[in-house]
Amino acid sequence: RKEVEQDPGPFNVPEGATVAFNCTYSNSASQSFFWYRQDCRKEPKLLMSVYSSGNEDGRFTAQLNRASQYISLLIRDSKLSDSATYLCVVKNSWGKLQFGAGTQVVVTP
Amino acid sequence: GAGVSQSPSNKVTEKGKDVELRCDPISGHTALYWYRQSLGQGLEFLIYFQGNSAPDKSGLPSDRFSAERTGGSVSTLTIQRTQQEDSAVYLCASSPRGEGGRADTQYFGPGTRLTVL
Repeated sequence: RKEVEQDPGPFNVPEGATVAFNCTYSNSASQSFFWYRQDCRKEPKLLMSVYSSGNEDGRFTAQLNRASQYISLLIRDSKLSDSATYLCVVKNSWGKLQFGAGTQVVVTP
Repeated sequence: GAGVSQSPSNKVTEKGKDVELRCDPISGHTALYWYRQSLGQGLEFLIYFQGNSAPDKSGLPSDRFSAERTGGSVSTLTIQRTQQEDSAVYLCASSPRGEGGRADTQYFGPGTRLTVL
């Protein structure tokens, strides 16, 4: 089983709609969690950290569920520019960052 | 300020040749990572350098792969006797030292696209 698993998608989302997707992790001792965004043929860039209490950054909301070992990302009022692959990243108990394979989101006009 | 830079941006080589990929991390960042990403795939961890500690080489796929980090800054990833399955984008990332939060943020370079014919 992979340490970090994501639904590869694609999630096809009409412009203006809301989309949400999860990422599961296997190591219950994982310490820190992040969402990165990767545009086609570009390098990944940090989107947001995920805090235990959940956090928002504009139209993006991230949540952590330690009991069920998953994190989620919700995008409200989707824009065409939100089309990208969203990578879940988990810092494991010995400090290594593990990347998921990514969830592709396609926002359509 | 300057971000992570990598060179070359593209490399085409023949099967069996050796290649060297270079990464210049952000100044002052003590952690440096190498990943590779095949088309449509996620990031595959290769190797991790943290300060003067012994590198974590657990992700290197074979002994044809090696990496060095000189003076705690520039890193070189070397692939010997390249094979077609080595074709991928090789990404380097650096991170400031820290225990959590923003200090864990990885800043990626633009990558080197390696094609082995």
